[in-house]
Amino acid sequence: GIQVEQSPPDLILQEGANSTLRCNFSDSVNNLQWFHQNPWGQLINLFYIPSGTKQNGRLSATTVATERYSLLYISSSQTTDSGVYFCDLRPASGTYKYIFGTGTRLKVLA
Amino acid sequence: ETGVTQSPTHLIKTRGQQVTLRCSSQSGHNTVSWYQQALGQGPQFIFQYYREEENGRGNFPPRFSGLQFPNYSSELNVNALELDDSALYLCASSLSIRSEKLFFGSGTQLSVL
Repeated sequence: GIQVEQSPPDLILQEGANSTLRCNFSDSVNNLQWFHQNPWGQLINLFYIPSGTKQNGRLSATTVATERYSLLYISSSQTTDSGVYFCDLRPASGTYKYIFGTGTRLKVLA
Repeated sequence: ETGVTQSPTHLIKTRGQQVTLRCSSQSGHNTVSWYQQALGQGPQFIFQYYREEENGRGNFPPRFSGLQFPNYSSELNVNALELDDSALYLCASSLSIRSEKLFFGSGTQLSVL
């Protein structure tokens, strides 16, 4: 089956710093989403981005489907950005099964 | 606030027991999927329901079963609980089977002793 890897696994930033999170996948996908899981376990959908680039405030994401990766950019990080970031994708094989990546655990220090 | 509610928030069971977890989808959403998230790991897809029928299943044994009701609320049932079933169980709803955006509930934390 498709493999999904995220890097880095852990990241510590000072407030105000920028960061790039990466999601690599091993096969074609029909769609890809980025989620933020806060310390209380709530998963919040950040972007639905099977291809192209999107921006929402301090966050932006780019997916290059032909090269099988997606990037999530966080600029001017804040302590509230702390948590785990997951990419989640649906393989192009036709299944409705969603597959989550391994996650990047981010801690932003004040 | 996603509009997806799960109950209960926490649950403690003993090995061998059965458990039922509940999920109320966001208004207008007819598709629900369930995930198991062990500590420190990403969510693992259990199954998806669309218009009361199971439509896709992950690598989980048959003792994990589900139901979706006419009002699109949903249940996850786990029989013969094992210690490894201890996890956060998440449900997610979407507008339709082909709508890709998922909205997650806050989850049910299940502990099996």
